[in-house]
Amino acid sequence: EVQLVESGGGLVQPGGSLRLSCAASGFTFSSYAMSWVRQAPGKGLEWVSAISGSGGSTYYADSVKGRFTISRDNSKNTLYLQMNSLRAEDTAVYYCAKGVAVAGWSYYYMDVWGKGTTVTVSS
Amino acid sequence: SYVLTQPPSVSVAPGKTARITCGGNNIGSKSVHWYQQKPGQAPVLVIYYDSDRPSGIPERFSGSNSGNTATLTISRVEAGDEADYYCQVWDSSSDHPVVFGGGTKLTVL
Repeated sequence: EVQLVESGGGLVQPGGSLRLSCAASGFTFSSYAMSWVRQAPGKGLEWVSAISGSGGSTYYADSVKGRFTISRDNSKNTLYLQMNSLRAEDTAVYYCAKGVAVAGWSYYYMDVWGKGTTVTVSS
Repeated sequence: SYVLTQPPSVSVAPGKTARITCGGNNIGSKSVHWYQQKPGQAPVLVIYYDSDRPSGIPERFSGSNSGNTATLTISRVEAGDEADYYCQVWDSSSDHPVVFGGGTKLTVL
């Protein structure tokens, strides 16, 4: 069974840092792109970042570029999101999602999602 | 950047057909994917590549995409279909390429 389990969320002060992790199992992790998607309270889905299977290609939303870094350790089947200079508007549930780009990045979608981890940025 | 526009809400009676639209400039040239999210739960993929269904998704869910509008159609709507629905595309012309629509709340009357 394909499974994604996020961890690392919590309460952090504005300007602080946090690292999220996503442990993957049930599939060949290195063969798949991965994404982070967040959802602020009462709001819609917002894509945050994506990374290719090898880690050689990364993409970011404008709202987090320069502050967040996506990475992966294929030997540990784990995806990461390093979040620096956190702001109140980064408060959200952060989902890890397995990506599918077998037909090319233009056809990218996310077929399995974790349950999410909550990040709260507040003083 | 590319914008996807969805109606905030759609209401339908049980047993009827619900249609949720996703508008975007020449969206028919892109591959559209749809997600269902029930309260307190993670999103679930219900349609990919405009009209393909993942295993486990009922045949009542179908999709189409042409011109400036993609549509998710849910036939014979059930109470359990009440959820938020999001469309998503990849915008190759952008360096922040994954785009979600704003979401549509489907209410089953």
